[in-house]
Amino acid sequence: GAVVSQHPSRVICKSGTSVKIECRSLDFQATTMFWYRQFPKQSLMLMATSNEGSKATYEQGVEKDKFLINHASLTLSTLTVTSAHPEDSSFYICSARDRTDAFSGANVLTFGAGSRLTVL
Amino acid sequence: DQQVKQNSPSLSVQEGRISILNCDYTNSMFDYFLWYKKYPAEGPTFLISISSIKDKNEDGRFTVFLNKSAKHLSLHIVPSQPGDSAVYFCAASGDNFNKFYFGSGTKLNVKP
Repeated sequence: GAVVSQHPSRVICKSGTSVKIECRSLDFQATTMFWYRQFPKQSLMLMATSNEGSKATYEQGVEKDKFLINHASLTLSTLTVTSAHPEDSSFYICSARDRTDAFSGANVLTFGAGSRLTVL
Repeated sequence: DQQVKQNSPSLSVQEGRISILNCDYTNSMFDYFLWYKKYPAEGPTFLISISSIKDKNEDGRFTVFLNKSAKHLSLHIVPSQPGDSAVYFCAASGDNFNKFYFGSGTKLNVKP
């Protein structure tokens, strides 16, 4: 089956530094990847849609200058948290559209395992 | 404003019994609904889906029911097995498949 690899799974950094998180589709090409953020006991909140070869589309309220997204190839998207602050500490998870469900026609997302960011 | 809600953060069920996980949504434009299952340290994996033109979809031990008038869907697992213990997320999407709205998840514990 389709696999999405996300790295690193955990990262701790100092306030003011930048952190890069990678999301790779291992056995399929993903023209579109999605980045989510999850706070404890809350929903996965869509941050942005990453489009291969073009600029990402950010959701309302997400700072595009803080959360830089690059989709350099059909199998790789990166999220860079710039000048990280403690309030950026969260669980970040990426996904890619893998296939269409035969029954509903809905696009099925394959998720990475997520990255836990802790900013000190 | 959370458009998809899972009001039960946790559920405990005895092995062999039925597990019922509930999900409510507010946006009447949602057309497709999906359930994802998540084990610790792993990403969510797709479980089952339903289109708004149906009110039931069944796949083995898993059945999803959709009540459009009530804006409510539920996932039934029967019989429940200890390996089903995980966090279950429901998600909804409208015409634009770029937008998947997720609930906050329900942690299911199936006791042997």
